[in-house]
Amino acid sequence: AQSVSQHNHHVILSEAASLELGCNYSYGGTVNLFWYVQYPGQHLQLLLKYFSGDPLVKGIKGFEAEFIKSKFSFNLRKPSVQWSDTAEYFCAVNAVNYGGSQGNLIFGKGTKLSVKP
Amino acid sequence: DAGITQSPRHKVTETGTPVTLRCHQTENHRYMYWYRQDPGHGLRLIHYSYGVKDTDKGEVSDGYSVSRSKTEDFLLTLESATSSQTSVYFCAISEKMNTEAFFGQGTRLTVV
Repeated sequence: AQSVSQHNHHVILSEAASLELGCNYSYGGTVNLFWYVQYPGQHLQLLLKYFSGDPLVKGIKGFEAEFIKSKFSFNLRKPSVQWSDTAEYFCAVNAVNYGGSQGNLIFGKGTKLSVKP
Repeated sequence: DAGITQSPRHKVTETGTPVTLRCHQTENHRYMYWYRQDPGHGLRLIHYSYGVKDTDKGEVSDGYSVSRSKTEDFLLTLESATSSQTSVYFCAISEKMNTEAFFGQGTRLTVV
């Protein structure tokens, strides 16, 4: 079964610091990749997605992610974080052409980001 | 935000009682999902539906059943609630398989 690993459980940064959150997945075939954000007490919102094409994708609120196929990675980045970026971030992977429930979105365990003002 | 409504938003129930959570969508999306979110586990798929009356199990389906009699409604039932089912439950929808999913606001369920 495919799996998604997010290496950092909790990241603490000061405002204006740069952010990189790691995400690795296990499926060797074609994948669609996503980053979701969950602000405190809220539901998950889509930050960005990758289906094909340019491996550097830009999302909302200044976030971007880079797909590196050889490393099975899809790391999330932001050059300068703000206090309002405090949230939990989830990487999710969808194995294209994979049958059954494994063809659905599989989530990592999440990374909590705390930004100090 | 996608038109997804979950009800109830909060529920406290006793061990052994049946509980039904409802997800209602106005987007006419084919796929609907139930996830549970627990600290340290992220989101785990319970059941999903790929059309009216078409459902299948996810990663953590034991103790749960679902039904989808209309495109817009997807019900999750805990036949006999246990304390291990205390969690936040999220409904999600997607237009197609292999595309992004949009999430509801969640239902916080506490089993005492």
